Amino acid sequence: EVQLVESGGGLVQPGRSLRLSCSASGFTFGAYAMSWVRQAPGKGLEWVGFIRAKAYGGTTEYAASVKGRFTISRDDSKSIAYLQMNSLKSEDTAVYYCRAEGAGDYWGQGILVTVSS
Amino acid sequence: DIVMTQSPLSLPVTLGQPASISCRSSQGLEYSDGDTYLNWFQQRPGQSPRRLIYKVSNRDSGVPDRFSGSGSGTDFTLKISRVEAEDVGIYYCMQGTYWPYSFGQGTKLEIK
Repeated sequence: EVQLVESGGGLVQPGRSLRLSCSASGFTFGAYAMSWVRQAPGKGLEWVGFIRAKAYGGTTEYAASVKGRFTISRDDSKSIAYLQMNSLKSEDTAVYYCRAEGAGDYWGQGILVTVSS
Repeated sequence: DIVMTQSPLSLPVTLGQPASISCRSSQGLEYSDGDTYLNWFQQRPGQSPRRLIYKVSNRDSGVPDRFSGSGSGTDFTLKISRVEAEDVGIYYCMQGTYWPYSFGQGTKLEIK
């Protein structure tokens, strides 16, 4: 059974950092691009960024709204993708989903990040 | 950046009746490899998104055949041949041809 499980969310003050993890199982993690997509309360879906599979260079892309503040990485040996979020702003408050795209398309259950003082 | 525009944004449908959602992109979505990376996602209430259709018209595994996608260039359509109660939710088109990828605003399907 395919599973993606996000962890590391919660309440954080503006300007602080948080790291989200996405633990994967049930598929060949290294063959998949891993993305982060967020959804602010009551709003639509917004791309945060993604990291390509190593076979495609393992490179990253970021939305303009997070570029320079967020970093996506992956550890294929552990089947985990990470989203390091620095200099958090109130507008980063959202449910963050990880997504694996390859031969299939899989999503985690999402994790809430609340940026507030 | 490519803007994805969906219509309608609200779609009340009678059970058993067809439904159609339009998605228009601000520029053509055919990539240099010849493929068009236009996807459709369903988000049921309280759930994560789920991809239904990839590359315009290919159904994902487990997606009922009452869902179909079509289109080319800048105009795309998701059709549900006969709406069922489990189809309630928000539907998003998404282009994955050019970064930054982008979603449409979402179309909320409800039962009339």
